[in-house]
Amino acid sequence: KAGVTQTPRYLIKTRGQQVTLSCSPISGHRSVSWYQQTPGQGLQFLFEYFSETQRNKGNFPGRFSGRQFSNSRSEMNVSTLELGDSALYLCASSLDSRTDTQYFGPGTRLTVL
Amino acid sequence: ILNVEQSPQSLHVQEGDSTNFTCSFPSSNFYALHWYRWETAKSPEALFVMTLNGDEKKKGRISATLNTKEGYSYLYIKGSQPEDSATYLCAFDTDKLIFGTGTRLQVFP
Repeated sequence: KAGVTQTPRYLIKTRGQQVTLSCSPISGHRSVSWYQQTPGQGLQFLFEYFSETQRNKGNFPGRFSGRQFSNSRSEMNVSTLELGDSALYLCASSLDSRTDTQYFGPGTRLTVL
Repeated sequence: ILNVEQSPQSLHVQEGDSTNFTCSFPSSNFYALHWYRWETAKSPEALFVMTLNGDEKKKGRISATLNTKEGYSYLYIKGSQPEDSATYLCAFDTDKLIFGTGTRLQVFP
């Protein structure tokens, strides 16, 4: 079974630009969650999508948004990039229930200059 | 704001040593406590999902226990090997995963 894939793996943007990251979950998984990893803050939850609906959201500004398609693939968008958005963005997929294991992708390393 | 604390922050041990780490979380309603291993340049890898008080899970040389009443979980590694070197994360599962900052383990040959 193929694992979670994320594209692109690396991205360099400048302040004020916007960026879209993509995540393809494990086949059959309907839940996709997004996390931001920064050295100072650790792994922080951004949002979760399940069956094309946002089921939960973390404490991030509205510049961070996402969506999920009917095939469970998910995209995350960050508008008006700031230097502090430089981070590793990870997505994770799971079957459904709250106690299911989340399987992580390799991440997208975003650098904002 | 729910806070998940992990200790120690880092640990250096010799090959063959046994070691353990602690994850402390708020003792309130939650679905599960997850443990992950995160090696450099790789994805976080799930180790255990623990749901019940007194739950104990084992995978080879690694085991974990959960005490929901007092709000902590222990992860044990018996006979550490260099390939165990990684950051070990716990995550408190409410309707989202709240991660601790991890324990960074280095095992020297």
